[in-house]
Amino acid sequence: TQLLEQSPQFLSIQEGENLTVYCNSSSVFSSLQWYRQEPGEGPVLLVTVVTGGEVKKLKRLTFQFGDARKDSSLHITAAQPGDTGLYLCAGGSSGTYKYIFGTGTRLKVLA
Amino acid sequence: DAGITQSPRHKVTETGTPVTLRCHQTENHRYMYWYRQDPGHGLRLIHYSYGVKDTDKGEVSDGYSVSRSKTEDFLLTLESATSSQTSVYFCAILKGLAGGLGTDTQYFGPGTRLTVL
Repeated sequence: TQLLEQSPQFLSIQEGENLTVYCNSSSVFSSLQWYRQEPGEGPVLLVTVVTGGEVKKLKRLTFQFGDARKDSSLHITAAQPGDTGLYLCAGGSSGTYKYIFGTGTRLKVLA
Repeated sequence: DAGITQSPRHKVTETGTPVTLRCHQTENHRYMYWYRQDPGHGLRLIHYSYGVKDTDKGEVSDGYSVSRSKTEDFLLTLESATSSQTSVYFCAILKGLAGGLGTDTQYFGPGTRLTVL
């Protein structure tokens, strides 16, 4: 059974601080996606990484896929209250179009 | 907006009763998914469909069945609801398959909050 563990589970920080969220597995994935979910809504895709070692940047968010394609990280620089939400990683396997979601990291950024 | 609606949005039911949740899409996408979301578990796949009448089980399929008789609708049925099925249920569709690896994107509906008493 494939599992994706995220850490930390909860994170409360002050506006302007930096943070990193981790997504780890013992399984290899062909792609790794990061989503953000706000209360009462469904998750919304932020980014997809597919190559081991790949780094993608989305404004203040930096996403990295591990060299072995088993883990990923999300780094937020100078967090803002608008970054508050639940962050989910999801691993995809080539050809199946089934996705395994991580356990989630709930981020709260205080003004 | 990926044109996904879920109904009902909220439902309270009693243990042992059957419940059907509906997911409707307007864009004729081939892949549709049902997930449940519980604290500490992220999203867990219940069932998914890769075409009309083509479905497969996910990681938490026990106690659930699905049907897809037309492209736009994917139904999730709890034959006899139990309290452990109290959850928020999300439907999703998959876009971008033709673009190759990494271009596939799931779009989620607004969710259905189900409470089983």
